[in-house]
Amino acid sequence: AQSVTQLDSQVPVFEEAPVELRCNYSSSVSVYLFWYVQYPNQGLQLLLKYLSGSTLVKGINGFEAEFNKSQTSFHLRKPSVHISDTAEYFCAVAKGSNYKLTFGKGTLLTVNP
Amino acid sequence: EADIYQTPRYLVIGTGKKITLECSQTMGHDKMYWYQQDPGMELHLIHYSYGVNSTEKGDLSSESTVSRIRTEHFPLTLESARPSHTSQYLCASSVAGPTFFGQGTRLTVV
Repeated sequence: AQSVTQLDSQVPVFEEAPVELRCNYSSSVSVYLFWYVQYPNQGLQLLLKYLSGSTLVKGINGFEAEFNKSQTSFHLRKPSVHISDTAEYFCAVAKGSNYKLTFGKGTLLTVNP
Repeated sequence: EADIYQTPRYLVIGTGKKITLECSQTMGHDKMYWYQQDPGMELHLIHYSYGVNSTEKGDLSSESTVSRIRTEHFPLTLESARPSHTSQYLCASSVAGPTFFGQGTRLTVV
């Protein structure tokens, strides 16, 4: 069975600072990797995905993530955050073409002025 | 922008009532999913469908049932709601790669 570990449950940062949200996964086979964002009382919005190819993936809202197979990591980064980036961020893994997702527990990113 | 719709957005209902949460998508996706999310927690897959008339249980055991009679429609039913069913239910669909989510239904059973 696969699992996803988001190493930080909460990350407070100041506006315009860089941020990294960490995600590690465990799986013995190739996986597909995703980052989602969830605003209060909303569904999930896809930020970016890694299916194959380049290990550096760029997503929406200026976010990017790097797939590191040897370290089984898929950390999310943004060079300069805005107040509007305050939200819960979920890392997810899918194994196989059914795309059933296993989620991490989430990281609450709080951007302070 | 993904087109996947869930109704109702919020539902407060008494114990013992039968409820159906609606989910529809207009993208023609074969695969559809129901995830359950308790407050402040991660999502867990409770139901999966890979096409019409095909459904299977997810990783998290659930007393709910689902049906997939049409490609675009994937309703979830609870025959007799209980307070332990209080949670947020998120419907999703996928064709190849990213999964798109609806806005969710927040269910409260009193």
